[in-house]
Amino acid sequence: NAGVTQTPKFQVLKTGQSMTLQCAQDMNHEYMSWYRQDPGMGLRLIHYSVGAGITDQGEVPNGYNVSRSTTEDFPLRLLSAAPSQTSVYFCASRTITPQGKGGNYGYTFGSGTRLTVV
Amino acid sequence: GEDVEQSLFLSVREGDSSVINCTYTDSSSTYLYWYKQEPGAGLQLLTYIFSNMDMKQDQRLTVLLNKKDKHLSLRIADTQTGDSAIYFCAEKRKPSNTGKLIFGQGTTLQVKP
Repeated sequence: NAGVTQTPKFQVLKTGQSMTLQCAQDMNHEYMSWYRQDPGMGLRLIHYSVGAGITDQGEVPNGYNVSRSTTEDFPLRLLSAAPSQTSVYFCASRTITPQGKGGNYGYTFGSGTRLTVV
Repeated sequence: GEDVEQSLFLSVREGDSSVINCTYTDSSSTYLYWYKQEPGAGLQLLTYIFSNMDMKQDQRLTVLLNKKDKHLSLRIADTQTGDSAIYFCAEKRKPSNTGKLIFGQGTTLQVKP
């Protein structure tokens, strides 16, 4: 099924460890982004990309790196995990060219990665 | 999220209407969205409205936009227990094709049988 696939679904890290959260989409969407969701704070944008080779920072980029070598993949790297990075992470993608009459720029979200840093 | 505000909790009885409210501050918003998040799941796009519209109806959902007051609402008619979820409003700022989506904090809707 077409959509956004995130792996892993759950992860526990020790403080100081590094890891990569994977995100892949098969809808040929140009725009991809990473959000973190914390209770009472909604979704906050970490990094985003408007196409292969182009990335930019969102609201809360510190402690995270991204790259976009292909249209399909947009991995998020935690360089040295901290307890403050305990959160649920969502990858989302959308087209920058809405299709058809009434087309919009709505996101398709992955199912999330629940990360705990101890 | 920056400058998009929602109340955090709403409780209704099954069969009643639910109204979830959202305010935003950026007058350049082009599209406004409502997303639904069920427990343990990602966000699902429910409906959206373009900024030059006042109202949009989609089955049990009615979206009202008051651009002067920068107020967006989602009305769910005949609310069911399956509607229990967190509802997020989001605004799409210019430029339309590359601008960011800014989310509110989310409103938890509890539907009592």
